[in-house]
Amino acid sequence: KNQVEQSPQSLIILEGKNCTLQCNYTVSPFSNLRWYKQDTGRGPVSLTIMTFSENTKSNGRYTATLDADTKQSSLHITASQLSDSASYICVVANTDKLIFGTGTRLQVFP
Amino acid sequence: DAGVTQSPTHLIKTRGQHVTLRCSPISGHKSVSWYQQVLGQGPQFIFQYYEKEERGRGNFPDRFSARQFPNYSSELNVNALLLGDSALYLCASSWGQPNTEAFFGQGTRLTVV
Repeated sequence: KNQVEQSPQSLIILEGKNCTLQCNYTVSPFSNLRWYKQDTGRGPVSLTIMTFSENTKSNGRYTATLDADTKQSSLHITASQLSDSASYICVVANTDKLIFGTGTRLQVFP
Repeated sequence: DAGVTQSPTHLIKTRGQHVTLRCSPISGHKSVSWYQQVLGQGPQFIFQYYEKEERGRGNFPDRFSARQFPNYSSELNVNALLLGDSALYLCASSWGQPNTEAFFGQGTRLTVV
């Protein structure tokens, strides 16, 4: 069964700290893996998209990694800001559709 | 360049009514997908249309239907609304198949009372 699991479910950190979100997947065939940021009540916004051959990709303070052998990905946020408070969703694409994780709810406090 | 636009942004309906949600994809994009996102959960796939043909359908009842027009805009229709249909409905636009990069609209918040 195609599945994407994320951990932790929620996370609270202080402004300026770093954090890492995890994503494990069982999707076949694999096409690419994406991380989206979703503010409450808004549509998801793409942060990174990685294919099978890419191990890491950065977008500003966001760095995603992909280990296609273990089927794991992580999203590292550096020097967090209050505006980073959102849900972060890991999405894996096969040739037919996108399979969404349930997301990690991140709260950044001053 | 306009992004993905959805209308309306908010909607309140009563049980048993019918609703139509609309989506305009990014110019040049030929694929539109619809997702339902219940509060606190990830989006669930409803439909995908590519070149005006249905290319995928999620595990939703026949009360849900959709279509794509010649200009690649799309409508999602839901009949006989239930309280459980209350959710954020997201439209995603991509130039090709689902494995190409998808851009989401801001969503339509549907509340069924």
